[in-house]
Amino acid sequence: QVQLVESGGGVVQPGRSLRLSCAASTSAFRSDAMHWVRQAPGKGLQWVAVISYDGTNKYYADSVKGRFTISRDNSKNTVYLQMNSLRFEDTAIYYCARDRGILGWNPWGQGTLVTVSS
Amino acid sequence: DIQMTQSPSTLSASVGDRVTITCRASQSVSYWLAWYQQKPGKAPNLLIYKASSLESGVPSRFSGSGSGTEFTLTISSLQPDDFATYYCQQYNPYSPPLTFGGGTKVEIK
Repeated sequence: QVQLVESGGGVVQPGRSLRLSCAASTSAFRSDAMHWVRQAPGKGLQWVAVISYDGTNKYYADSVKGRFTISRDNSKNTVYLQMNSLRFEDTAIYYCARDRGILGWNPWGQGTLVTVSS
Repeated sequence: DIQMTQSPSTLSASVGDRVTITCRASQSVSYWLAWYQQKPGKAPNLLIYKASSLESGVPSRFSGSGSGTEFTLTISSLQPDDFATYYCQQYNPYSPPLTFGGGTKVEIK
């Protein structure tokens, strides 16, 4: 059973950068696409980005395109989200999730909180 | 982009009630529809995938139906552990961005 653990969140000033990590407990995740999803305080879920199993294909939500970069290192069982030019509206809990194709996204990590504040 | 609209946004119900939540897509998502339950301070938990398939370990009182643009999540007999927020999601990989409904909060009546 794959487990996901996010890290790297914290408080950051507007315009600065932060890199989030999502570590998988087994190498089984190497065959799956991975997503980042965020949830602003008291709000709903917003998809952020996806990366294919081998890292060759990446897609982003319009709200983060050009500022965020998703990547993965399968040798380390880890997916990353590099967040640049952060804005107040990027404040959220960021979750990673494993894409099992038609079987849905499961599991999700516990989330890491990013707060953009001056 | 495909918009997902859930109704109602809030639902008050009692233990033992039958509860139905509706999710409508702005265009067909075929069967690429999932339902999640989320409790405060926790990550979303997958309940239903492929519109009507029950995720392993999820109680059988949860069921999903629909295809195309209209979907429902039904809880046959609401239990105390079911008071939470529920989200639908279209996850068709050929139709990014992958979008969620706005959520339905199920409250104690």
